Amino acid sequence: EVVLTQSPATLSLSPGERATLSCRASQSVSTDLAWYQQKPGQAPRLLIYHASDRATGIPARFSGTGSGTDFTLSISGLEPEDFAVYYCQHRRNWPSFTFGPGTKVDFK
Amino acid sequence: EAQLVESGGGLVQPGGSLRLSCVASGFSFSSSEINWVRQAPGKGLEWVSFSSSTGITVYYADSVRGRFIVSRDHAKNSLYLQMSSLRAEDTAVYYCARVNGHTAVDLDLWGQGTRVIVSS
Repeated sequence: EVVLTQSPATLSLSPGERATLSCRASQSVSTDLAWYQQKPGQAPRLLIYHASDRATGIPARFSGTGSGTDFTLSISGLEPEDFAVYYCQHRRNWPSFTFGPGTKVDFK
Repeated sequence: EAQLVESGGGLVQPGGSLRLSCVASGFSFSSSEINWVRQAPGKGLEWVSFSSSTGITVYYADSVRGRFIVSRDHAKNSLYLQMSSLRAEDTAVYYCARVNGHTAVDLDLWGQGTRVIVSS
């Protein structure tokens, strides 16, 4: 079973700063890694799929990199609406979808 | 606009049953694989079940297998989750989510969720 870990658990930043979130897989998932954003009281929203492709309507300040076991979600210039929880996810344990524990980006 | 809308959540006693519904609109439901994903209060996301586009192939997480059944009604563009023998640990917001048809490995459309509380 491929497990995902995310770091840090919480990232405290100010608007305008750059956020760098990490996701690590216990075994290679190639580039089959997605990122989601979840705001309080809302459903998750797909941000990035295939490790680096932005989903429809996602602003260019969100970018994903990585392959194999190490992945990064970067947010260049945090906007107030970006303060949320971010999850990475893979499907190597097919048919299930495995999520990481999440990283909360909050106000410093 | 593509949309998924869940309903059917509520308060139920331990050992009880509940049926959740997920209605799809704005896209081809009969061509889409749909999953149920849940989130316990203050916790992360947990995959619960998968339904192929036809509804013939279904899968469940170990934590719910034998207690939950997923089904489809194509005439109503609806996916259902019949939950029985409910436990306190089933308390969560339940989301239905569509598999990305291009990649097959991520979930590109989510409903707003329906809350299930299992408590006496």
